Amino acid sequence: AQSVTQPDIHITVSEGASLELRCNYSYGATPYLFWYVQSPGQGLQLLLKYFSGDTLVQGIKGFEAEFKRSQSSFNLRKPSVHWSDAAEYFCAVGPKLAAGNKLTFGGGTRVLVKP
Amino acid sequence: NAGVTQTPKFQVLKTGQSMTLQCAQDMNHEYMSWYRQDPGMGLRLIHYSVGAGITDQGEVPNGYNVSRSTTEDFPLRLLSAAPSQTSVYFCASRLSSGGWENIQYFGAGTRLSVL
Repeated sequence: AQSVTQPDIHITVSEGASLELRCNYSYGATPYLFWYVQSPGQGLQLLLKYFSGDTLVQGIKGFEAEFKRSQSSFNLRKPSVHWSDAAEYFCAVGPKLAAGNKLTFGGGTRVLVKP
Repeated sequence: NAGVTQTPKFQVLKTGQSMTLQCAQDMNHEYMSWYRQDPGMGLRLIHYSVGAGITDQGEVPNGYNVSRSTTEDFPLRLLSAAPSQTSVYFCASRLSSGGWENIQYFGAGTRLSVL
C-alpha cells in the first residue's frame, strides 16, 4: 500500500529565510507526486507535481521540489519565504492509473513565518 | 465559473442526527471525491465517483453514503452522526481524461462538529 510521511509537523522560519519541507513516500513503482498548500480556512491548492523527466520541478509561488528515487523523497523548497507562505503544506502520491481521485496524503507540515 | 462549491461551511450536529453535505462543480468534471481532514493525518479518501451513477469506497467509508445522479453534484450523507465524524470535509473534482495531468480542484471545506 502506498503511504506518505511528512516528518515535520511544524516548522518556524523567519521571513526571507529559506524553507525546506520533507516528504518521504512508500510505493511499489514510480509514483505521481504532488505538493499542495492550504491557507487558513481555505481548500487545497496545487503547488507542483512530478510525473517523470527532470527531477527538479518548478511550481507556483516560487516553490520547487526535487524527486530523489534513491531516497524515496520529494522535498519542497523555497529560497526566500514571504509572510504569505504561512500555511499548511501537504505532500501526496497518486497511482499511475489515475482512475478516480485516489490520492494518498501525508499528515501535513504547518509553516509559521516570523517577521 | 464557481469551481467546486461546498455547503454548508460550518455545521454542528448532535450524536445520531443525519445530514447531507453538498458538493457541486461547474467544470463538467467526471471524477469527484470526498476527503476528511483530521489533525496530523492529512486528508483521507471517503468515497469517490468516476462519473454519474458510479461510486466507490475510499479509505474510510464507514458511516458515510454517497450518490451521483448528475455530473455536477456529489452529496455526502451522514446517516447517524457520531463524535468520531467531527472533522473538516473536502470535496474535490478532476477531468477524467489525461490522467494526473489534469489538476484536482478542491472546495473550501465543511467544518463539522458532532456533539
